Amino acid sequence: DAKTTQPPSMDCAEGRAANLPCNHSTISGNEYVYWYRQIHSQGPQYIIHGLKNNETNEMASLIITEDRKSSTLILPHATLRDTAVYYCIVSGYNFNKFYFGSGTKLNVKP
Amino acid sequence: GAVVSQHPSRVICKSGTSVKIECRSLDFQATTMFWYRQFPKQSLMLMATSNEGSKATYEQGVEKDKFLINHASLTLSTLTVTSAHPEDSSFYICSAISAAARGGYEQYFGPGTRLTVT
Repeated sequence: DAKTTQPPSMDCAEGRAANLPCNHSTISGNEYVYWYRQIHSQGPQYIIHGLKNNETNEMASLIITEDRKSSTLILPHATLRDTAVYYCIVSGYNFNKFYFGSGTKLNVKP
Repeated sequence: GAVVSQHPSRVICKSGTSVKIECRSLDFQATTMFWYRQFPKQSLMLMATSNEGSKATYEQGVEKDKFLINHASLTLSTLTVTSAHPEDSSFYICSAISAAARGGYEQYFGPGTRLTVT
């Protein structure tokens, strides 16, 4: 079963930062937080993952709270192509299985 | 990043026939692959874990005799839907694991296979 809670949908203006929250209050010490996105009728695309430190790559930033019970994915300058369903997944170090929740549908508007 | 392919991308078959879907890791070896299915407007549901050289492990409620999985090499896993029925029509997605440089593992997904059973 999914161990994360996300809002079902969010809107963001093109060019603005999109901040997508995720609650994972039952996360255990060896579990990572992963973020993926799925554009309609395609396979999910990896965005970023982290354990406890904040992470940044060319796509996004991941902010994990100190108690690790929640995180935020930040897309710094959203474009129309970022419109997708974003999934936050908690999974163990030993490549444990991914159980997808419902995700957040991000609508980027011009 | 690592690339995972699936073949075919779309397949239409008649009720009662069997369909095989291939999943390949193109530029890395994957001892573990996963199979998911996704119904319209729903999230991905994990069906099974495919382990190279051993039997697949299925999630609760997934019929192992209906969804046959073979992971014969480090780059290929196949899913065969046997005696397909219209309710098996779905989007089937595979993924493969690759170790991440910063720790943990990254799971790379294929583009999916749309199965329609008539």
